[in-house]
Amino acid sequence: SAVISQKPSRDICQRGTSLTIQCQVDSQVTMMFWYRQQPGQSLTLIATANQGSEATYESGFVIDKFPISRPNLTFSTLTVSNMSPEDSSIYLCSVGGRGDQPQHFGDGTRLSIL
Amino acid sequence: GENVEQHPSTLSVQEGDSAVIKCTYSDSASNYFPWYKQELGKGPQLIIDIRSNVGEKKDQRIAVTLNKTAKHFSLHITETQPEDSAVYFCAASIPLDSGYALNFGKGTSLLVTP
Repeated sequence: SAVISQKPSRDICQRGTSLTIQCQVDSQVTMMFWYRQQPGQSLTLIATANQGSEATYESGFVIDKFPISRPNLTFSTLTVSNMSPEDSSIYLCSVGGRGDQPQHFGDGTRLSIL
Repeated sequence: GENVEQHPSTLSVQEGDSAVIKCTYSDSASNYFPWYKQELGKGPQLIIDIRSNVGEKKDQRIAVTLNKTAKHFSLHITETQPEDSAVYFCAASIPLDSGYALNFGKGTSLLVTP
């Protein structure tokens, strides 16, 4: 399976600031996904990011709050904007999900907002 | 949106015993059902998956069953070992134009005691 690297692995941020999370894959992939996992909770899909098109956001998530870039087939970024303590979560990227491909996840970015 | 229900939320078994985790889903369009294991500080790791044209799949000590009519699927771990202790998530596929995303259950925290 693809090796997925996320940076940073963790961060502590001040409220009102923004943080950009990077997701790098060691092979070209068509579909990338961003999920949020709140403390002790399940994973919730934020958006689907396909190269060459705008990200598709799920209900409850908006582009102004979570802008996403997908400049090529091996890289994507998720920005968490104007952060508040409620944004404290693990943010995970995954790849796959095309045809019979399983989805594989990175180890996530653990974000705490003070 | 469509839900995936997962039970139990916590499960404690003695080493060598079996563990069973059950999930139900509501989206009739779901046709792919993976299971993930998440250890502390790590991203979810795919351990087994099943597609809707199959009723059962086994991989060593792990098996998954699917009843598509009843919209139930279950994970069975036999001869449990302490290293099986983790949080397990079931998921059901959400069809997209060019692939699928995943809708996750709330997770089961499994503790295997020596």
